[in-house]
Amino acid sequence: AQRVTQPEKLLSVFKGAPVELKCNYSYSGSPELFWYVQYSRQRLQLLLRHISRESIKGFTADLNKGETSFHLKKPFAQEEDSAMYYCALSENTGNQFYFGTGTSLTVIP
Amino acid sequence: DAGVTQSPTHLIKTRGQHVTLRCSPISGHKSVSWYQQVLGQGPQFIFQYYEKEERGRGNFPDRFSARQFPNYSSELNVNALLLGDSALYLCASSVGVATNEKLFFGSGTPLSVL
Repeated sequence: AQRVTQPEKLLSVFKGAPVELKCNYSYSGSPELFWYVQYSRQRLQLLLRHISRESIKGFTADLNKGETSFHLKKPFAQEEDSAMYYCALSENTGNQFYFGTGTSLTVIP
Repeated sequence: DAGVTQSPTHLIKTRGQHVTLRCSPISGHKSVSWYQQVLGQGPQFIFQYYEKEERGRGNFPDRFSARQFPNYSSELNVNALLLGDSALYLCASSVGVATNEKLFFGSGTPLSVL
């Protein structure tokens, strides 16, 4: 069963515009949720995790348990935000980790 | 700083062969996990090891096995290779196995099965 769904494979926004990358999950327990990012020619790296309730590089993500979503948002996109973004879920039992299929974000100058 | 290192840098095998992939975690990290990433898809969890013991296993056939050594490095073995095993194999290390652990990824080993 697909635990993490990212409905958009590709997303393009203009520089300075708001951006939202969607992530929905399927899990009956209390999951840990993450956003990982891969910039061009770099390794996959953690962007943020919901437990930290932090803002990294201007990005935030709020866990909405009612809608089972963990969308990633930034009010003003920058060119350096162009990358592949993966939403990920860690089960609180059983040590299983699930990634979504990823969204490729392009910020147009 | 030395991040997660994986070897070999790339691999080409034929169907039916066996392959061993290696991973060295960041110093101080005791957990290593393995992922398979097929082109156009997200990483798919294969195994997690912590303190030399298997702590998690994804939905992969028994042809896939792994182990972790006393120095916390790890090997992933795949037997009887199939064309569908062609993918990028990623290793990630973390300090421990808490569910909210930050994963540090290697650059991956691309495997082509012909």
